[in-house]
Amino acid sequence: GQSLEQPSEVTAVEGAIVQINCTYQTSGFYGLSWYQQHDGGAPTFLSYNGLDGLEETGRFSSFLSRSDSYGYLLLQELQMKDSASYFCAVPFSGGYNKLIFGAGTRLAVHP
Amino acid sequence: KAGVTQTPRYLIKTRGQQVTLSCSPISGHRSVSWYQQTPGQGLQFLFEYFSETQRNKGNFPGRFSGRQFSNSRSEMNVSTLELGDSALYLCASGPRDGSYEQYFGPGTRLTVT
Repeated sequence: GQSLEQPSEVTAVEGAIVQINCTYQTSGFYGLSWYQQHDGGAPTFLSYNGLDGLEETGRFSSFLSRSDSYGYLLLQELQMKDSASYFCAVPFSGGYNKLIFGAGTRLAVHP
Repeated sequence: KAGVTQTPRYLIKTRGQQVTLSCSPISGHRSVSWYQQTPGQGLQFLFEYFSETQRNKGNFPGRFSGRQFSNSRSEMNVSTLELGDSALYLCASGPRDGSYEQYFGPGTRLTVT
């Protein structure tokens, strides 16, 4: 089977840096994706790591270590609008168009 | 380019009824996937369609079905609704087969009473 674990909640203050971890167990691994979802909104793609290392996109970075079955999403210079749920996801057994999602991490950014 | 659209946005049905939800992917996208999102189970994969063919199906009962049309629009149907089917149903499209980036629609909020 496949499963992903991530913390349920994270709290931080504006301007700070926060890291959301994700560990996974998969029968076949093709990469780790991250999605953001605001309350009442649709999940929005943030980043994808197919290879080990760090991918940077503006204030957001994502890291993958295949040997540790671990990845994280790093959010820098936090803003109030970053308050949302963040999901890690893996393609399901070779099908990129079908994703297995973690339970999500709810990030609350405070002034 | 218009995003993924889903209709209706909200729906209230009673137990035992059936419902059909519609999804129009981004123009040019041939892959459509459906997900169910609930507070208890999170985001769960329902089906995936590519070029009118269902390629994958999640662990849901046969009451859940779907199809894709030649213009890539997709519908999903749930028959004999149960209270536990109350959820946000999300549709996602991908720009090509094997794309890891999925574009989600706003979802259809189904409430079963």
